Amino acid sequence: NAGVTQTPKFRVLKTGQSMTLLCAQDMNHEYMYWYRQDPGMGLRLIHYSVGEGTTAKGEVPDGYNVSRLKKQNFLLGLESAAPSQTSVYFCASSYSGTGELFFGEGSRLTVL
Amino acid sequence: SQQGEEDPQALSIQEGENATMNCSYKTSINNLQWYRQNSGRGLVHLILIRSNEREKHSGRLRVTLDTSKKSSSLLITASRAADTASYFCATDYNDYKLSFGAGTTVTVRA
Repeated sequence: NAGVTQTPKFRVLKTGQSMTLLCAQDMNHEYMYWYRQDPGMGLRLIHYSVGEGTTAKGEVPDGYNVSRLKKQNFLLGLESAAPSQTSVYFCASSYSGTGELFFGEGSRLTVL
Repeated sequence: SQQGEEDPQALSIQEGENATMNCSYKTSINNLQWYRQNSGRGLVHLILIRSNEREKHSGRLRVTLDTSKKSSSLLITASRAADTASYFCATDYNDYKLSFGAGTTVTVRA
């Protein structure tokens, strides 16, 4: 099983450009999450979803949008990228809301 | 805001020694989890301890939880080079979300 797959793994954007990160899981999990990881700050929750068609804001949602049209996919969009969004982004999924999280390998985004 | 906070921020030990790291949190929890992250990789779940448990073991890992002090510890016994990684505690602060601390970076010297 692939588990949680994130694409792309690396991306460089210019300020103002838009992009979408794709997360796909093959474990039939209801819950999916997008985190960002910055040095010295651990992981911060951007948005999450408790099931197909649902999304909710986390700690740091500004500048990001998400969609969960299919149960297995969770998309994270940046409408107008800013240098402050330079980070490593992790997608995770879970069978239950506060159970074990399964993480992807991360997507490293640089905004110039 | 982050619920959990690990201590120390960094730890360097000799192979074969034990490594202990601590996590403190702010509000009541249902469970607390520990994760490992190797450099450049995603996080991997290590162990989950529920609020009504005081201690849990998994292989060379031992986790304790003291809800009265709002703290947890992770002990790695007989460390190996492969244990070099960052370790994070995560607490559930509502039904759907986990909050992660900033992590402890462990370096195991050969």
